[in-house]
Amino acid sequence: QVQLEESGPGLMQPSETLSLTCTVSGFSLTSNGVGWVRQPLGKGLVWMGTIWAGGSTNYNSAVQSRLSISRDTSKSQVFLKMNSLQPEDTGTYYCARHQAGSGYFDYWGQGVMVTVSS
Amino acid sequence: IMLTQSPATLSVTPGESISLSCRASQSISTNLHWYQQKPNESPRVLIKYASQSISGIPSRFSGSGSGTDFTLNINRVEPEDFSVYYCQQSNSWPFTFGSGTKLEIK
Repeated sequence: QVQLEESGPGLMQPSETLSLTCTVSGFSLTSNGVGWVRQPLGKGLVWMGTIWAGGSTNYNSAVQSRLSISRDTSKSQVFLKMNSLQPEDTGTYYCARHQAGSGYFDYWGQGVMVTVSS
Repeated sequence: IMLTQSPATLSVTPGESISLSCRASQSISTNLHWYQQKPNESPRVLIKYASQSISGIPSRFSGSGSGTDFTLNINRVEPEDFSVYYCQQSNSWPFTFGSGTKLEIK
């Protein structure tokens, strides 16, 4: 079955670079896009960016200058890297699968909590 | 594109039928999707493309609308429906979510 699992450090310091990995199973990254969504504690959802089945990417302009999304299709992994972290980057980070050719998310990972604090 | 959800909180009694609103700042055709998020859980999609049903989602959930005004309807709210509901548009970049409507027990 389709599964997505996020992994990465839970605690980061301001100005550091965050690296998260989303390991997927049950589908191919060349068939479905995968996006990253952030949720500050107690707040709403913010789409950060997506890497599409063909390998192209789209980013939220609010973080575009700091964000990079890439993948390793052979390992079924999608990567998020975001530099110059600030406390407001604190939150739960989800990776989620786009239904093939669609803009909505049909499967989500369980999320990983990232705290940015000195 | 900004999505405005209303109300922010809705207090209802189980068994009531309700409507949640999502309004877009510009026309998004039917590129609007609804999600439910329970506490400490990941979101799950309820409705795609404004009104299309999702396999495995109870039939009491339905959606309608196009252009800028959209509605999620829940026919006879069940106890497990008390959670937060988000709309999301995929008409243009960047994709955006609404701020959510919290459905709580009266």
